This record gives sequence, C-alpha cells and structure tokens, in this order.
Amino acid sequence: EAGVVQSPRYKIIEKKQPVAFWCNPISGHNTLYWYLQNLGQGPELLIRYENEEAVDDSQLPKDRFSAERLKGVDSTLKIQPAELGDSAVYLCASSPGTPNTEAFFGQGTRLTVV
Amino acid sequence: SQQGEEDPQALSIQEGENATMNCSYKTSINNLQWYRQNSGRGLVHLILIRSNEREKHSGRLRVTLDTSKKSSSLLITASRAADTASYFCATEHGFQKLVFGTGTRLLVSP
Repeated sequence: EAGVVQSPRYKIIEKKQPVAFWCNPISGHNTLYWYLQNLGQGPELLIRYENEEAVDDSQLPKDRFSAERLKGVDSTLKIQPAELGDSAVYLCASSPGTPNTEAFFGQGTRLTVV
Repeated sequence: SQQGEEDPQALSIQEGENATMNCSYKTSINNLQWYRQNSGRGLVHLILIRSNEREKHSGRLRVTLDTSKKSSSLLITASRAADTASYFCATEHGFQKLVFGTGTRLLVSP
C-alpha cells in the first residue's frame, strides 16, 4: 500500500512569489493534516481536515496561506506571497479518522525562500 | 503552538546503553504517541498509549504514562546506532487533534 505522497520534495522560490504543495493521503483516510516544521523544532499544526471540511485552521496564517481538500482526498497548501520566514519543511499526514489511531506522514516538502 | 515539552533536548549515548526521554503536556488527552524522525525525512509512528493505560511495550521500546502528572517517558533499551534520530511525543486532544512536542535528539555512537 502506498504511503502519503507529497510533491515537490524541494522548492526554492524568491520572496513574494506564490508556491503550492500537494498531498495525496493514504486511500480511505478521512483525516488529513498539514504541519510546518522549522529546523530543530517539532511539527506545528497548520490545518486539519475531516473529509473535505477544515475542522481546525486556527494556526493557519490566512492572510497568505490557503488550503483545500477537494472531494475529501488530495489536498493542496498554497502560500501567496511567500516571505523569507516561510522557509521550512511542510509535512502532510493522514489518519483513518477513528479513535486512537496513528498518523502517517509524507516525506515533506522543504521550502527555501530567497 | 506546541503542547508538549521534551526533556532532554539532546541525548548522547553509546551503543548498548538505554535511552530515556520524557514528555510533559498541559491539558487532558485521549492518547499520547511517540514518533521518530530521521534526518531530513518524515515522521514514523512508534507507539501509542491510551489515557487509561499506564505502560506499554513494543520490542525494545517501553512507554509509561502518568496522567496525574501529565507526563510520559520513552525508554529505548540496548540502543543501536540506527536509533540515532529525533524523537517526538504527540498528544491527541478531542477528536484527532494531534499536537507535537519539541523533540529529543538522540545520538547513539558505535
């Protein structure tokens, strides 16, 4: 069974440019997470979906970040415009959506804003 | 924001020794999970302990949970060089809300 797939793995952009990350969760997983991880830190939740509904986006900087999960499957996370401080690893994870189950993580997208 | 704090931030040991790392959290939880992250890679789930459990084992891993103290510990016995990684605790709050700690960087030297 394929795991969580993220693309691209690496992205370098100039500040003020837009950027988008894509995530394909494990088939049948209802819950999808986007996390941001700075170097040497733990992942910080940006947004969580239950099926196609964003149920927790309190930590998403909505002035420049947006996300969508069409048809409750794949998801995209967009930043527009990017700032130097957005350089980080963006992690996507999914879980079955049942109590007491683990999350499965993708390899992440390493974003560098120059 | 991060729920958990882990201690120590970094740990260096020799192969064959045991490694213990601790996690403290702030609010009530459904469960607590431990994940491992190798350099530059995604997180891998190690073990989950429910709020009504006190101890759980998986291979060389032993996890304890003390909900009265809002703390957990992860013990890795007979460490190997391949155990070198960062270890994160994550707490589940409400339904599926998973919040990570700050992590412990473990270095196991041959």
